[in-house]
Amino acid sequence: DGGITQSPKYLFRKEGQNVTLSCEQNLNHDAMYWYRQDPGQGLRLIYYSQIVNDFQKGDIAEGYSVSREKKESFPLTVTSAQKNPTAFYLCASSSQPTSGPYNEQFFGPGTRLTVL
Amino acid sequence: AQSVTQLDSHVSVSEGTPVLLRCNYSSSYSPSLFWYVQHPNKGLQLLLKYTSAATLVKGINGFEAEFKKSETSFHLTKPSAHMSDAAEYFCVVSDRQGGSEKLVFGKGTKLTVNP
Repeated sequence: DGGITQSPKYLFRKEGQNVTLSCEQNLNHDAMYWYRQDPGQGLRLIYYSQIVNDFQKGDIAEGYSVSREKKESFPLTVTSAQKNPTAFYLCASSSQPTSGPYNEQFFGPGTRLTVL
Repeated sequence: AQSVTQLDSHVSVSEGTPVLLRCNYSSSYSPSLFWYVQHPNKGLQLLLKYTSAATLVKGINGFEAEFKKSETSFHLTKPSAHMSDAAEYFCVVSDRQGGSEKLVFGKGTKLTVNP
């Protein structure tokens, strides 16, 4: 089955620790995205990548880092510099049209991170 | 930059009655618009999308939305609510910046369906 997987589903971290969230897709999509979701705030874009070995900051990149060494994988590291990391994190991917309307994004099931 | 406003944070309906979730957008060009649904602790699923073809868009599970340029609206409707429709719904607009395209999400509308 084609899709996006995120692991783990639940993650607990002590303050001051870095933690890495996994995102893998087998949809052959070029673009991948990381969002943070907090109650009542919708989704906010952290980082996105349109092609392997390239990525851009989104609206709330401070305290996060990413890599895109393979087309299928886009891991997100939440660093100790992120002041309020407890949230639900969603990964998404999309195919990038060369012209015409924008394609929808496909979402993974999410990782809930709790800082203790 | 594009933006989207969901006019209600919570909507409550009875099973079998119509659903209306309201969304207004602002865009300096002809946008792509989407509605996504999210069940608790799950990822988002696409319900429908508008991409400048027909203004009335039909989606999955009996939902549809009408693009009204004059009103800058893209409201989501369903004739008869089902208990399984209880979820959070997000109206989304595409935003083109610096040669790349991103999605801008509304804050969401939580739909409750009462038996």
